[in-house]
Amino acid sequence: QSALTQPRSVSGSPGQSVTISCTGTSSDVGGYNYVSWYQQHPGKAPKLMIYDVSKRPSGVPDRFSGSKSGNTASLTISGLQAEDEADYYCCSYAGSYTLVVFGGGTKLTVL
Amino acid sequence: QVQLQESGPGLVKPSETLSLTCTVSGGSVSSGSYYWSWIRQPPGKGLEWIGYIYYSGSTNYNPSLKSRVTISVDTSKNQFSLKLSSVTAADTAVYYCARWWPAGAGFDYWGQGTLVTVSS
Repeated sequence: QSALTQPRSVSGSPGQSVTISCTGTSSDVGGYNYVSWYQQHPGKAPKLMIYDVSKRPSGVPDRFSGSKSGNTASLTISGLQAEDEADYYCCSYAGSYTLVVFGGGTKLTVL
Repeated sequence: QVQLQESGPGLVKPSETLSLTCTVSGGSVSSGSYYWSWIRQPPGKGLEWIGYIYYSGSTNYNPSLKSRVTISVDTSKNQFSLKLSSVTAADTAVYYCARWWPAGAGFDYWGQGTLVTVSS
């Protein structure tokens, strides 16, 4: 069982918006503003999409946005495109001893 | 552009030690701004952080694996390595090396991953 809870799957049509949730505890998501999100296409390495809860690395489209409320972080993808179909993982800093914990992953299907 | 590349045996026998090396190019493992990590992903499952090493040699490991894991760094070769002892079939996974960026609290560069199968 993963430390952070994500929905197993979400779906949306091209052009629509979807939100993926990531629920942790006060020891990880709720305790730090250090949530990151990763996109993983089949057979590929994960790619950093969001860091520090809501910041985008250079090159990541502004269709991707992140937020956090309490112990739950969220990734929202607006204007869905076919290439967004992938697995998405959240990750939270959990202190210097554990460092990070991951979510179980969410499969996004673009209908 | 920073690149990471994993290398090592793709097949390990049960009870033996898994050994992998990550070679870094376009950047230096001696940089004090990053931590160098190992992450694994069992087939069809999610990601699991294994541990990290700092250029100074200080390490931190996932408590669930701590008794079996050793991560080391060779600054002269710009490499860092993973050893996981007493492996079982449950350790079969794609193993990734990645750079942890403390300032952004994220893994900003990843290797392509290497599948390690534990089987006799």
